[in-house]
Amino acid sequence: QVQLVQSGVEVKKPGASVKVSCKASGYTFTSYGISWVRQAPGQGLEWMGWISGDTNNTDYAQNLQGRVTMTTDTPTNTAYMELRSLRSDDTAVYYCARSSSLESSGWYDYWGQGTLVTVSS
Amino acid sequence: DIQMTQSPSSLSASVGDRVTITCQATQDINNYLNWYQQKPGKAPKVLIYDASNLETGVPSRFSGSGSGTDFTLTISSLQPQDFATYFCQQSYSAPRTFGQGTKVEIK
Repeated sequence: QVQLVQSGVEVKKPGASVKVSCKASGYTFTSYGISWVRQAPGQGLEWMGWISGDTNNTDYAQNLQGRVTMTTDTPTNTAYMELRSLRSDDTAVYYCARSSSLESSGWYDYWGQGTLVTVSS
Repeated sequence: DIQMTQSPSSLSASVGDRVTITCQATQDINNYLNWYQQKPGKAPKVLIYDASNLETGVPSRFSGSGSGTDFTLTISSLQPQDFATYFCQQSYSAPRTFGQGTKVEIK
């Protein structure tokens, strides 16, 4: 069965970086993309960006350009999301989700369990 | 960016009620509209994709309709396990924006 398992809780100081992992299993990793979505406490869902499972093509939300990098490691079927220069408003649960196709479009049919990132001095 | 507006933001309903949630896009997105259900502390789960297609395993009491800019999610007979927050999302163009959510609560 398809599973996305994310890394654990992170607590960071303002200005630091965080790298969240998302290990996929149960499907051919290079046949689908991975998107990242975050949710601040008590808030809605914010699309952060997408990475292709095969070509490492990326598409980032404009408001995160320059601070976010998404990568994949195909031998381990793992996707990564790194966010730099953290601010308090980056405090959120970060989700990875499988896109329904290799393209950036499509729906998200499987989700990781979420990773809480808290940014606090 | 395409903005997605859901209404209502919250609603109270009873078990067995018919519930309708709407989602409006600021521009034509064809049928590239998806609906997700999220329960507290859990990841979202897709219910409907491409406006009207029921995801495998999702009960048939959920249905979606619409095209262009106006879309609807309908729950034909609300069940106890349906109390949750529902989000629409456009997959027409990046950024793949979500609606602000509709919280369905017990009356």
